[in-house]
Amino acid sequence: EVQLVQSGAEVKKPGESLKISCKASGYNFTNYWIGWVRQMPGKGLEWMGIIYPDDSDTRYNPSFQGQVTISSDKSITTAYLQWSSLKASDTAIYFCARTGSVDWFDPWGQGTLVTVSS
Amino acid sequence: DIQMTQSPASLSASVGDRVTITCQASQDISNYLNWYQQKPGKAPNLLIYDASNLETGVPSRFSGSGSGTDFTFTISSLQPEDIATYYCQQYDNLFTFGPGTKVDIK
Repeated sequence: EVQLVQSGAEVKKPGESLKISCKASGYNFTNYWIGWVRQMPGKGLEWMGIIYPDDSDTRYNPSFQGQVTISSDKSITTAYLQWSSLKASDTAIYFCARTGSVDWFDPWGQGTLVTVSS
Repeated sequence: DIQMTQSPASLSASVGDRVTITCQASQDISNYLNWYQQKPGKAPNLLIYDASNLETGVPSRFSGSGSGTDFTFTISSLQPEDIATYYCQQYDNLFTFGPGTKVDIK
């Protein structure tokens, strides 16, 4: 069974750094892209970026370029999303999801709630 | 970049009703259009890919059609378990999600 399991909820202060993870299993991790999607409280879905773990080729939504860093470690079949300096506006649920040919996202991780508050 | 719009933003219908949601792209995206269902507190779930192809395991009451800039998603007979927000998503140029349509029971 293909599964993406994300790290747990985080509560951080503005200015702090954070790295959340997405552990993949049940398929060849290096043959599929992994994407990250943001959902702010009560809002819709926003695509942030994707990474191809085999060669770390990464594409960002221009709205998120420079704001976050997407990476992966194929030795442990895990993708990451990180911030160097969080803002209150980063409060959201973050989903990872697999995409085969930069087309549709399936399946999805369960989501990681990030709360940034002083 | 490609913008996606959906209408209506929300709707309320009775069990057994036919429900239709439209999605419009700001430019021609051929059939590079997918539909997702997101139930409250859950991750989105792929229902339709390439505008009209039903994902494996998805009930046949769900369907999609369209190409170019105009697309339609239909639930032929609304069921209580269909209460959710539905999103379209294009992949002609990377990805863009529509704003979503919230469906509930009247």
